[in-house]
Amino acid sequence: GAGVSQSPSNKVTEKGKDVELRCDPISGHTALYWYRQSLGQGLEFLIYFQGNSAPDKSGLPSDRFSAERTGGSVSTLTIQRTQQEDSAVYLCASSLVGLSTDTQYFGPGTRLTVL
Amino acid sequence: AQSVTQLGSHVSVSEGALVLLRCNYSSSVPPYLFWYVQYPNQGLQLLLKYTTGATLVKGINGFEAEFKKSETSFHLTKPSAHMSDAAEYFCAVSDDYGGATNKLIFGTGTLLAVQP
Repeated sequence: GAGVSQSPSNKVTEKGKDVELRCDPISGHTALYWYRQSLGQGLEFLIYFQGNSAPDKSGLPSDRFSAERTGGSVSTLTIQRTQQEDSAVYLCASSLVGLSTDTQYFGPGTRLTVL
Repeated sequence: AQSVTQLGSHVSVSEGALVLLRCNYSSSVPPYLFWYVQYPNQGLQLLLKYTTGATLVKGINGFEAEFKKSETSFHLTKPSAHMSDAAEYFCAVSDDYGGATNKLIFGTGTLLAVQP
């Protein structure tokens, strides 16, 4: 079956521009996570969705970062006024119901480069 | 807060040799532990996980890990390395046990090189 998909796979933008990153989770998965992978910070959690609600936004690094999920499916991560330190690979994952024991299935990521 | 430490950011083994990747965790509650593998330019793929029950967990591609509570460890092993095992490996713990979120806390990763 189809796994988690993300688009675009690569995004190059200029400092100060806004970007939107998309995640399509596995069909039927109610839990969705965004992580960021960068050389300096490793793999870090950004935000967790259960359905369309985000009970944990504790990993968002600043108010320039926001995310939404609609229809309990697709999620969009938006970064406003991008900075060079935002350059990273943004990974999306989904799991069946969001239990601690659930396997999180990861997408291939979006590589963001801010010039 | 829960955390994971991976000793050795780079490990190199010869093809056919034992693979041992170390992971220690810090948790105030029984942890749920995971090993993921990441091949170049790809997302993370689950190798295995420990939730409850048997402490020796077998995963895909011949990997296994043993949960040792007394040592707070969850080391990953494979008896005989293959060239295709070259990748980066991440140990993770599921945070917020029973809480409102179950995000993964990752270690810093170990890059495994396999020499012919």
